[in-house]
Amino acid sequence: DIQMTQSPSTLSASEGDRVTITCRASQSINNWLAWYQQKPGKAPKLLIYKASNLESGVPSRFSGSGSGTEFTLTISSLQPDDFATYYCLQYSSYSTFGQGTKLEIK
Amino acid sequence: EVQVVESGGGLAQPGGSLSLSCAPSGFTVSSTYMSWVRRAPERGLEWVSVISTGGAVHYADSVKGRFTISRDNSKNTLSLQMNSLRAEDTAVYYCARGGDTFGSSRRPFDSWGQGTLVTVAS
Repeated sequence: DIQMTQSPSTLSASEGDRVTITCRASQSINNWLAWYQQKPGKAPKLLIYKASNLESGVPSRFSGSGSGTEFTLTISSLQPDDFATYYCLQYSSYSTFGQGTKLEIK
Repeated sequence: EVQVVESGGGLAQPGGSLSLSCAPSGFTVSSTYMSWVRRAPERGLEWVSVISTGGAVHYADSVKGRFTISRDNSKNTLSLQMNSLRAEDTAVYYCARGGDTFGSSRRPFDSWGQGTLVTVAS
């Protein structure tokens, strides 16, 4: 089974900051990596698919990069609506989520 | 408009059973991979099960042998039969479109229901 290690588990930042979240796969997943945003009581929302492709309707301040085993999600300038929990997902072989990163207001 | 609605959650005793149902609109369950994903309290997301367009099913090790995923093409519904429930199965369960991890044009989970809470306690 492919394991996903996501870091950090918690991130404190301010509005306007640039933040980066990292996911590492236990083996190569090519580019089969997605990023989700989840808010309390809501379903996860797809942000990025195939490592770097922005889902329709997602603001351009979100971007993804990486390949193989190392991937990053970057938010270029934090907005109040961005404070949430973020998950990576590998969909190379079955599906595995990272442990999540809670993005908090500093 | 694509929409997914789950139902069937509730309280079950350890060792008991519950059945969840999912009714999408805007697409048919037979035309795409469909999955169940859960989020336990204070924990992250966990993929539970998938059914392919051809009817092949796969399960996470944590539920294998206890849970059964199925679909009813005539009713356009997806189901999850959960038996031998354990306290650690307590979670919000989401029905999601997606779960194909083999096709060259695979998509990740892109449409989700609002979730249904399953609580396993005596």
